[in-house]
Amino acid sequence: NAGVMQNPRHLVRRRGQEARLRCSPMKGHSHVYWYRQLPEEGLKFMVYLQKENIIDESGMPKERFSAEFPKEGPSILRIQQVVRGDSAAYFCASSPGTGELVFGPGTRLTVL
Amino acid sequence: AQSVTQLGSHVSVSEGALVLLRCNYSSSVPPYLFWYVQYPNQGLQLLLKYTSAATLVKGINGFEAEFKKSETSFHLTKPSAHMSDAAEYFCAVSENGGATNKLIFGTGTLLAVQP
Repeated sequence: NAGVMQNPRHLVRRRGQEARLRCSPMKGHSHVYWYRQLPEEGLKFMVYLQKENIIDESGMPKERFSAEFPKEGPSILRIQQVVRGDSAAYFCASSPGTGELVFGPGTRLTVL
Repeated sequence: AQSVTQLGSHVSVSEGALVLLRCNYSSSVPPYLFWYVQYPNQGLQLLLKYTSAATLVKGINGFEAEFKKSETSFHLTKPSAHMSDAAEYFCAVSENGGATNKLIFGTGTLLAVQP
């Protein structure tokens, strides 16, 4: 079992570009969570998705950020028109529903 | 609302010494509590969790934590530190008593182990 996969591991974007982060959950897991870790801070919840549904997006910024988890393929976190404040590590975690989260290695986004 | 506070953003111990990382929580429902470890440039790995069973929870790598309701604490301990324990440690509480996996994290404690 390959665990939770995230790609890319490192992503560099210039201000105004789009960032697209991908997360493939563990086999058999249908629940995906996205967290953001800013420098010197803990992880902050962003969004919780199940296949084709957003269950809880209370941690998502109101603008520029969106997430999806299609029936086929990975979950995608999309950040449009990135700004320097978006620079952070973005972690995906999955679970089968009940049971603990399994975290991916993260994507480190740098906005120049 | 649930929250966790980790006292001490940096802790340094000598190899072989006791490790004590502090975590206090606030929860309006019986809490589910977690400790995670993060090695540099890696994701989070679950060390242990408390889910309302035994108050003393044993985890991986020799770590354990004790749930103390009267003190609203869930401190992480290890009797003898090893160099490989150097990492960042995060305490977390489940937002709604374990009904989902939405976790509220503390700001982390960076553990340094001196030879």
